[in-house]
Amino acid sequence: SQKIEQNSEALNIQEGKTATLTCNYTNYSPAYLQWYRQDPGRGPVFLLLIRENEKEKRKERLKVTFDTTLKQSLFHITASQPADSATYLCAPHSGGYQKVTFGTGTKLQVIP
Amino acid sequence: GAVVSQHPSWVICKSGTSVKIECRSLDFQATTMFWYRQFPKQSLMLMATSNEGSKATYEQGVEKDKFLINHASLTLSTLTVTSAHPEDSSFYICSARDSGGMNEKLFFGSGTQLSVL
Repeated sequence: SQKIEQNSEALNIQEGKTATLTCNYTNYSPAYLQWYRQDPGRGPVFLLLIRENEKEKRKERLKVTFDTTLKQSLFHITASQPADSATYLCAPHSGGYQKVTFGTGTKLQVIP
Repeated sequence: GAVVSQHPSWVICKSGTSVKIECRSLDFQATTMFWYRQFPKQSLMLMATSNEGSKATYEQGVEKDKFLINHASLTLSTLTVTSAHPEDSSFYICSARDSGGMNEKLFFGSGTQLSVL
C-alpha cells in the first residue's frame, strides 16, 4: 500500500539555522510533490511544488529537493525564524484529478 | 489569490443531531473538492472526494450515509454529519482545486471544529 512518511518527532531548531525536513514515500510514482504549511487550528497553505523532472526548487528562504530514485523529498528553510514554527506536510501526487493524500507532518519549532 | 471559505468555524451540538458544514470557493470554480478530518496531533485523513453534479467518492472506512456530501454547484460543497456522536468530534477541513487554472495545488478552508456532547 502507499505510504508517506515524515519525521515523526518534532524538530526544534535555533533561530537563524537551516531546518531540514524529510518526506519519504513508498508505492508511489509521483509526477510531482507538494509541500504545505499548517498552523494550529487552521487549514494548510500551499508552499511549493516540485515536478519529477526537477531536482531542486527555490522560493525565497525555502528550498525543496526531489530524488525519485531514493523516493525522497527534502524541504529546507534557511535563516529560520520563530514565525516559521508550524507543521509542514508533504503530498506526493501521480498527477491528473486523483485525490491528494498527505504525510504525517513534521512539527517545526524555531527557538529565538 | 484563490480563497476557500468554510463555515462554521466551530460548532457544538448534542449527540444525535445533524450538523452541516459549508465549503465555498469564492473567486474560482471547483469541479472537485476534498473533505478531510484531523484528530489532535495527527495528519489530515481524506474522507471523500466531492465532484460537482455527481456522487462523492468515499475513502475506505468512511460511512457515506453518515457523512453526506453534496456538491450542487461549482462553488459550493457541503458535508453533513448525520446523527452525530461524540466520536465524530474532530476538525473537518475542505479543500478545492481551481478547475480553470493549473489545478495542481489545493486551496484549503480554515476548518470546522466539531464538538459533539
